Amino acid sequence: TQLLEQSPQFLSIQEGENLTVYCNSSSVFSSLQWYRQEPGEGPVLLVTVVTGGEVKKLKRLTFQFGDARKDSSLHITAAQPGDTGLYLCAGSHTGTASKLTFGTGTRLQVTL
Amino acid sequence: ETGVTQSPTHLIKTRGQQVTLRCSSQSGHNTVSWYQQALGQGPQFIFQYYREEENGRGNFPPRFSGLQFPNYSSELNVNALELDDSALYLCASSFGTRNTEAFFGQGTRLTVV
Repeated sequence: TQLLEQSPQFLSIQEGENLTVYCNSSSVFSSLQWYRQEPGEGPVLLVTVVTGGEVKKLKRLTFQFGDARKDSSLHITAAQPGDTGLYLCAGSHTGTASKLTFGTGTRLQVTL
Repeated sequence: ETGVTQSPTHLIKTRGQQVTLRCSSQSGHNTVSWYQQALGQGPQFIFQYYREEENGRGNFPPRFSGLQFPNYSSELNVNALELDDSALYLCASSFGTRNTEAFFGQGTRLTVV
């Protein structure tokens, strides 16, 4: 059972467009992480957010943790073909930080 | 590159057989977690090993078992393979059990026919 639902599941956009990916849960998480996974590779950590309402920026990527620590969003500005991949959110609970509950994933394709 | 290596990268097995997958953790890391990622889905937590002991298990049957060795490398064993076991198996290494930063290997793609 997936406790973290991501939307949309698939997203195909052109270079230069903006997009937002959502990660929602009915559970409270002590921290939430975002990963990007490319075909044939393992997930690569992009960011960890731990405080309700926290916003973190990584170049063109902006991550936000919901105030109640049940949801998160990833916003990409001016998407580039190199942003193509599977984006996964993952939550963890206090005391079990390295046991991750992953979301359903959002597959992003950015074309020229 | 994360320093976490998994072997083999690809494997084809017949239903009913047994399989062993291996993971070498990143230097300095003493915790290995295993995940199963079915096609088109997010990874699902199988179990975790911390300092050679199982430290938590997800919703997987007992035919999924594991080991961690003194050098903190780990094995995942699956007995009586079923078609639904076909997936990408990922291991992640971290330091301790409270550290949220985990580094994933490239995975082992298991196909059961």
